[in-house]
Amino acid sequence: EAQVTQNPRYLITVTGKKLTVTCSQNMNHEYMSWYRQDPGLGLRQIYYSMNVEVTDKGDVPEGYKVSRKEKRNFPLILESPSPNQTSLYFCASSSLRGRGNTEAFFGQGTRLTVV
Amino acid sequence: AQSVTQLDSQVPVFEEAPVELRCNYSSSVSVYLFWYVQYPNQGLQLLLKYLSGSTLVKGINGFEAEFNKSQTSFHLRKPSVHISDTAEYFCAVIIQGGSEKLVFGKGTKLTVNP
Repeated sequence: EAQVTQNPRYLITVTGKKLTVTCSQNMNHEYMSWYRQDPGLGLRQIYYSMNVEVTDKGDVPEGYKVSRKEKRNFPLILESPSPNQTSLYFCASSSLRGRGNTEAFFGQGTRLTVV
Repeated sequence: AQSVTQLDSQVPVFEEAPVELRCNYSSSVSVYLFWYVQYPNQGLQLLLKYLSGSTLVKGINGFEAEFNKSQTSFHLRKPSVHISDTAEYFCAVIIQGGSEKLVFGKGTKLTVNP
């Protein structure tokens, strides 16, 4: 079954404690991205990756890091989380073969609370 | 830069009534257009997309959308909704020939009441 898997689904942490949210896809997609979803703001892109070892900032990258060492994995790292990073996070992947006209597949989401 | 405006943040309707969720976009270049749906506690899934050709596109679960280039709109419609259509709906665009970034609207929460 084609899927994007995020872990954990729920996370409560304290300010400043480093954390990683994992994302894995089984569709051999080149393009992967992270979004955060906040009430009234929709989804905003944090970082994206066009392929292994190729990453770039999205619209709201401050306070986040990513890496793409393998094609299937795209972890999101918060080195020093702050309360304003409390949000619902989604990982997504898509194929670049269609150049914009393909479907993006989303993970189930990670609800992060920073206290 | 491109932007997407969803004109209604919440739309309450009764079961079996028709519904239209409105979406307008702004872009200086051509775009691909999408509608995604998010059911409670789930990720987003594709409802339908417009790439080219016929301006009326049909998607899953009986939804359809019409692309209107002159009005830069891509409104989503369903002639008769069910309780199970209760969800949040997102309109999104991708620039043709650009990066793969999906630019989303802020979402419309559709609530179908019995």
